[in-house]
Amino acid sequence: QVQLQESGPGLVKPSQTLSLTCTVSGDSINSGGYYWSWIRQPAGKGLEWVGRIYTSGSTNNNPSLNSRVSISLDTSKNQFSLKLSSVTAADTAVYYCARGGVHWYVLADYWGQGTLVTVSS
Amino acid sequence: QTVVTQEPSFSVSPGGTVTLTCALSSGSVSTTYYPSWYHQTPGQAPRTLIYNTATRSSGVPDRFSGSILGNKAALTITGAQADDESDYYCALYMGGGIWVFGGGTKLTVL
Repeated sequence: QVQLQESGPGLVKPSQTLSLTCTVSGDSINSGGYYWSWIRQPAGKGLEWVGRIYTSGSTNNNPSLNSRVSISLDTSKNQFSLKLSSVTAADTAVYYCARGGVHWYVLADYWGQGTLVTVSS
Repeated sequence: QTVVTQEPSFSVSPGGTVTLTCALSSGSVSTTYYPSWYHQTPGQAPRTLIYNTATRSSGVPDRFSGSILGNKAALTITGAQADDESDYYCALYMGGGIWVFGGGTKLTVL
């Protein structure tokens, strides 16, 4: 059974960089040709796709966040990571990591439980 | 910027049938947008229900079905149950590796 677990600081100061890690178990992050995504949700609001990384390392990001988002793989630790720079209060949200399906058009088949990140001084 | 639109809220009687839709601010939704649907209850991560318009994710009962209705993607729930309540989101593939979620529909079963 594939499981994903987000981790990282729960509090980030404005203008700093938010850094989160998703640890994957039950699957190897560099096998199978999957997409690995980050999705976020501000309190009381809807889901927002942040970006994704393919097994090869190629990435796609939400255009509204593009220049601030960096997603990377660490195959030695079976993890992938999100960095979001120059954060503001608007980046306060629950951040979910997810694995896509066998086919590229499956956005998310397995989800992490989510982790709350608050941007505040 | 393209906006994906869902009904803000909907209600259905227990045992009834409801169809939620997912539209584009400009243009029609077709299978080439690979619509997917997610159900989220309070405090929980979303659960994937449908992908590629009409394919059910593993373990999803056949009470849930996806389709294209007119110019929108649609999620139909038949025989609605109390635990079908809460939020439903669609997501569309915009090309170029980009996905966009709809604003969500809050479903009430009463």
